[in-house]
Amino acid sequence: DAGITQSPRYKITETGRQVTLMCHQTWSHSYMFWYRQDLGHGLRLIYYSAAADITDKGEVPDGYVVSRSKTENFPLTLESATRSQTSVYFCASSWAEMNTEAFFGQGTRLTVV
Amino acid sequence: KQEVTQIPAALSVPEGENLVLNCSFTDSAIYNLQWFRQDPGKGLTSLLLIQSSQREQTSGRLNASLDKSSGRSTLYIAASQPGDSATYLCAVKADESNAGNMLTFGGGTRLMVKP
Repeated sequence: DAGITQSPRYKITETGRQVTLMCHQTWSHSYMFWYRQDLGHGLRLIYYSAAADITDKGEVPDGYVVSRSKTENFPLTLESATRSQTSVYFCASSWAEMNTEAFFGQGTRLTVV
Repeated sequence: KQEVTQIPAALSVPEGENLVLNCSFTDSAIYNLQWFRQDPGKGLTSLLLIQSSQREQTSGRLNASLDKSSGRSTLYIAASQPGDSATYLCAVKADESNAGNMLTFGGGTRLMVKP
């Protein structure tokens, strides 16, 4: 199916563990984004990518690593999970043109215990 | 730094009522503004995209307006229905070529439409 999919939908992990959240899109959008959504903070940008092998930091990048070896995939890795990284994570994608809209995945709810 | 505010944070209305959701932003140098709907436990669904050169966009019972100079946008929902119950988010894209196409979001308005 065309669209943007995230996996897993739900994840519980322990403090200190490495965890990777996956994002896959089928539109060949050049831009991809990772946001986190927290009560009281709304959605905040973690990292984004303008194209394969091009990534840049957003507002809250500390503790996260991204890569983009293929246009359609944009995994987000928490190198050593902390409780403050408990959140709902959303992946999004868009065309490069400024006047286009962004499309979001269904989200991954991550709990760090 | 761009800040986006949505008021009210929550709204409860009876079915059939027309309603207005508000979004304000501090930096008027935006390229466009997007309204999203988010159902509980779900992702964001794009409702309307309004370019900075536009004043209005309409889709069905939804109408979004934009006053860029005053830093305001409104989402008008006509004849509200229980199925409209959701959180509505607005987001702005900066008018900078090196801004990375990223969006800055407001905190959302949680709408409940009672039958």
